[in-house]
Amino acid sequence: ETGVTQTPRHLVMGMTNKKSLKCEQHLGHNAMYWYKQSAKKPLELMFVYSLEERVENNSVPSRFSPECPNSSHLFLHLHTLQPEDSALYLCASSHSGGGEDTQYFGPGTRLTVL
Amino acid sequence: QQQVKQSPQSLIVQKGGISIINCAYENTAFDYFPWYQQFPGKGPALLIAIRPDVSEKKEGRFTISFNKSAKQFSLHIMDSQPGDSATYFCAASADSWGKLQFGAGTQVVVTP
Repeated sequence: ETGVTQTPRHLVMGMTNKKSLKCEQHLGHNAMYWYKQSAKKPLELMFVYSLEERVENNSVPSRFSPECPNSSHLFLHLHTLQPEDSALYLCASSHSGGGEDTQYFGPGTRLTVL
Repeated sequence: QQQVKQSPQSLIVQKGGISIINCAYENTAFDYFPWYQQFPGKGPALLIAIRPDVSEKKEGRFTISFNKSAKQFSLHIMDSQPGDSATYFCAASADSWGKLQFGAGTQVVVTP
């Protein structure tokens, strides 16, 4: 595997379910990100981790819970989601999290909340 | 509040034509302006980027024009090809943690 991988690629869940999204980067980077992408809207930054420490939490509802056990893996735990949370969830990584670091994105998880 | 405004929302151009996408920003602290390209089923990928100390940057058929006084920047795709059909996002950053503010995206379709 190369680059940034995300699993699953598609997820359908009910409002009472608990599920997790997984992201893995094979680039040796130290910073990882979660974004939400909705149609015709800017990408919304949700969380940033640098060296496994959360450095940004962009006023995201508590029904989204991130976890970064090491610099290669990032999870997004989901519980009691709402239909408006349906979107493409993108993971990205960068070398050190600096302002001009190139962010490398995974293909995303398409989430549908029924 | 949307910090980076992008237009148009969609664009159809004939093969060989020029595609132009515009972005405007308000925050004068922004000092790094990348463009990302996203194909269906893929994540965005960095295409080209510029800093405000230059007015233009060219890489192959892709050119960024930057107007610091107007707080605007644009992407020009010269000799557009069907393989350029994708969604393009402008972005801006002023943060040491790489916090990018993205535009809403422009879907470009290049017809044969």
